[in-house]
Amino acid sequence: DAGVIQSPRHEVTEMGQEVTLRCKPISGHDYLFWYRQTMMRGLELLIYFNNNVPIDDSGMPEDRFSAKMPNASFSTLKIQPSEPRDSAVYFCASTTWGKETQYFGPGTRLLVL
Amino acid sequence: AQTVTQSQPEMSVQEAETVTLSCTYDTSESDYYLFWYKQPPSRQMILVIRQEAYKQQNATENRFSVNFQKAAKSFSLKISDSQLGDAAMYFCAYRSFNAGGTSYGKLTFGQGTILTVHP
Repeated sequence: DAGVIQSPRHEVTEMGQEVTLRCKPISGHDYLFWYRQTMMRGLELLIYFNNNVPIDDSGMPEDRFSAKMPNASFSTLKIQPSEPRDSAVYFCASTTWGKETQYFGPGTRLLVL
Repeated sequence: AQTVTQSQPEMSVQEAETVTLSCTYDTSESDYYLFWYKQPPSRQMILVIRQEAYKQQNATENRFSVNFQKAAKSFSLKISDSQLGDAAMYFCAYRSFNAGGTSYGKLTFGQGTILTVHP
């Protein structure tokens, strides 16, 4: 079974541009999580969905960040406009009820110049 | 809110030797899960081992084992017979017991420990 898929793996953009990160969870998983990893803050949860519905978005840093899950096999995290302090590795993870472990994708390394 | 503390920013070990990584956490909950994740230079987050708080027996996965001390809120990882491929950043993580429904316990991570393995 394929793992969590994220694209792109690397993204370099200029300040002010819109950035869209994509995630495909493991088939059959009904929870999807977006995390951000930085040197200063470590790994932090941004938002998570259950059955495509956002459950907890308290970790979303500000209105420039938005996340959607239009169907069970696809989610996006959008930053508009992007700023240099958004530079980080963004992970997507998925799991399902009964599994106690979250399975992480390979991450997207974002650099905002 | 739960917190996870890894007090060792860096550790090193000789190949074939044993090393222990420390983790402490703070919680008022009685049921929860603890994890160790490995992050090699590829950045992939790989689950190493998991411990359920209600289980007294320490979890073991091949060369990896934990020392879970619930009263002390301590959860250390022991790597035996260290291999070069064990070199990575290791994260300790805490998750509340899954209450079901739409709720899923949030994973809280420590700051990580960089493990270097010397040949």
